[in-house]
Amino acid sequence: DAGVIQSPRHEVTEMGQEVTLRCKPISGHDYLFWYRQTMMRGLELLIYFNNNVPIDDSGMPEDRFSAKMPNASFSTLKIQPSEPRDSAVYFCASRGQIDNSPLHFGNGTRLTVT
Amino acid sequence: GNSVTQMEGPVTLSEEAFLTINCTYTATGYPSLFWYVQYPGEGLQLLLKATKADDKGSNKGFEATYRKETTSFHLEKGSVQVSDSAVYFCAQGSGGSTLGRLYFGRGTQLTVWP
Repeated sequence: DAGVIQSPRHEVTEMGQEVTLRCKPISGHDYLFWYRQTMMRGLELLIYFNNNVPIDDSGMPEDRFSAKMPNASFSTLKIQPSEPRDSAVYFCASRGQIDNSPLHFGNGTRLTVT
Repeated sequence: GNSVTQMEGPVTLSEEAFLTINCTYTATGYPSLFWYVQYPGEGLQLLLKATKADDKGSNKGFEATYRKETTSFHLEKGSVQVSDSAVYFCAQGSGGSTLGRLYFGRGTQLTVWP
């Protein structure tokens, strides 16, 4: 299996622009997670899905952030409009249904908003 | 609630030194416990796990024992190598209303010098 695939690897954009991050989970995994990592705040859970349904979005910082999972093999995280404080590495991760199954992370998208 | 506390870094060691990174958790019920490792420019990857009290997880010379009485899961390695330089995350996964998600510590940066 190719693992969790994220695109793009790097994104540089100007403040106010829309940014869309993409994720393809491992086939057969029922859970999908979006995390944000910064030096100041560490690893933060933004939102997670089970069987394509959002379970907990309490970590989404504000209405500028939205996430969708239209099918079992694809998810997007959108920021509109973007701000410099959104600069971070965004990770997607997936796992199977069994309670102690591990998370598998993608290599992340490094977002820079100028 | 559910949380993980791990020792603050950074940790700097000489090659072949003994490593301990402390981790304690609070959880409802009996969680599974994990250590993840993150190398530069990559996502987190599972290092080892333990699913019940007194279990010992081990991988690549690293070990951690699930201690229910002290709610701890300390990571140890008898002789570190330069290639072990990375950020290490402790995590726990509980069932119930939070089924599916993992709770991560802040991460501990390890640097090993030759």
